[in-house]
Amino acid sequence: RKEVEQDPGPFNVPEGATVAFNCTYSNSASQSFFWYRQDCRKEPKLLMSVYSSGNEDGRFTAQLNRASQYISLLIRDSKLSDSATYLCVVKRNNNDMRFGAGTRLTVKP
Amino acid sequence: GAVVSQHPSRVICKSGTSVKIECRSLDFQATTMFWYRQFPKQSLMLMATSNEGSKATYEQGVEKDKFLINHASLTLSTLTVTSAHPEDSSFYICSALYTGNTIYFGEGSWLTVV
Repeated sequence: RKEVEQDPGPFNVPEGATVAFNCTYSNSASQSFFWYRQDCRKEPKLLMSVYSSGNEDGRFTAQLNRASQYISLLIRDSKLSDSATYLCVVKRNNNDMRFGAGTRLTVKP
Repeated sequence: GAVVSQHPSRVICKSGTSVKIECRSLDFQATTMFWYRQFPKQSLMLMATSNEGSKATYEQGVEKDKFLINHASLTLSTLTVTSAHPEDSSFYICSALYTGNTIYFGEGSWLTVV
């Protein structure tokens, strides 16, 4: 079993739709959590950190459930430009970062 | 945000030769850097964790003698692919740990071995 697992996708949604991605992690000692976005043939870029209380950045909402060991990303009012691969990243307590395999999102007109 | 620069962005080399890829943190000191490989339409695969002044920690299945990592300064880590073969052709990306919590990625290097 992988340490960080994500919905396999792909997700194909129409513009304006709401879409949610989940990510589970197996190491209970994990300390920090992030969502990264990777466009085709480009490097990943930080989308947002995930805080215990949940956090929102515009159309994006991230949540963390430590008891169940999962994090989520909700995208509201999807735009064509949201099409990308979304990576779940989990940091252990020793600078060790683990990546999920990524979930591909395609937003269609 | 913090800037991580990777060079070269594209390189073509002959089979059997070695190629070096550099990863620099431009505006911060990075004691920890990471190297990944990504094949087309696949996810990032962590190859190794590079710590300044010490030996890199390689992931299972990654040959340390083939993928040499050097992290001699707080702003530079290098990955050398030795005796490259066509199957080593891939997208190699580095990242650096910023403020101990967030990582920033380099732009990546496309390696083609012919």
